[in-house]
Amino acid sequence: EVQLVQSGAEVKKPGESLKISCKGSGYSFTNYWIGWVRQMPGKGLEWMGIIYPGDSDTKYSPSFQGQVTISADKSISTAYLQWSSLKASDTAMYYCARLDYSKFDYWGQGTLVTVSS
Amino acid sequence: QSALTQPASVSGSPGQSITISCTGTSSDVGGYNYVSWYQQHPGKAPKLIIYEVTNRPSGVPDRFSGSKSGNTASLTISGLQAEDEADYYCSSYTSSSIKFGGGTKVTVL
Repeated sequence: EVQLVQSGAEVKKPGESLKISCKGSGYSFTNYWIGWVRQMPGKGLEWMGIIYPGDSDTKYSPSFQGQVTISADKSISTAYLQWSSLKASDTAMYYCARLDYSKFDYWGQGTLVTVSS
Repeated sequence: QSALTQPASVSGSPGQSITISCTGTSSDVGGYNYVSWYQQHPGKAPKLIIYEVTNRPSGVPDRFSGSKSGNTASLTISGLQAEDEADYYCSSYTSSSIKFGGGTKVTVL
């Protein structure tokens, strides 16, 4: 069974750093792109970027380029999304999802990030 | 990079059919048959219900169907049921970009 399990909710202060994770299982982790999707409170889905764990090739949405870093450790089948300096506007639910060619076919349960002073 | 355009809300009575539109450009929706649709219930992760314009993943009821004409894709729900009340998002894929629509809230009256 394909599963993506994300790390737990985080509460951070503005300016702090953060790295959240997404662990894949039940399939060959290195053979599928993993994407990250933001959903701000009460708002829609926004594509942030994707990574191919096999060679760490990464593509970012222009809206998120330079704002976040996407990485992966194929040895432990885990993808990451990280911030070096959080802002209040980063408060959102973040989902990872497996990209099967053109579609996100499996999704993680989401990680809620709250940034507040 | 503009999002795809969807109506904010659509409603219908049980048993009726509704259609949600998703308008893009010739560079995304119109240029490729890589349109997907996702259903999201409150507090839940999105779920894939249509991919490559018309295809349904295993387990998705056949009352959900997709189509495309020009730069506009559509999701039709036939025989609307109470459990179909949710948010629906379209998405387009190209090798360099993925876009989502703004989402449509479906209300079952």
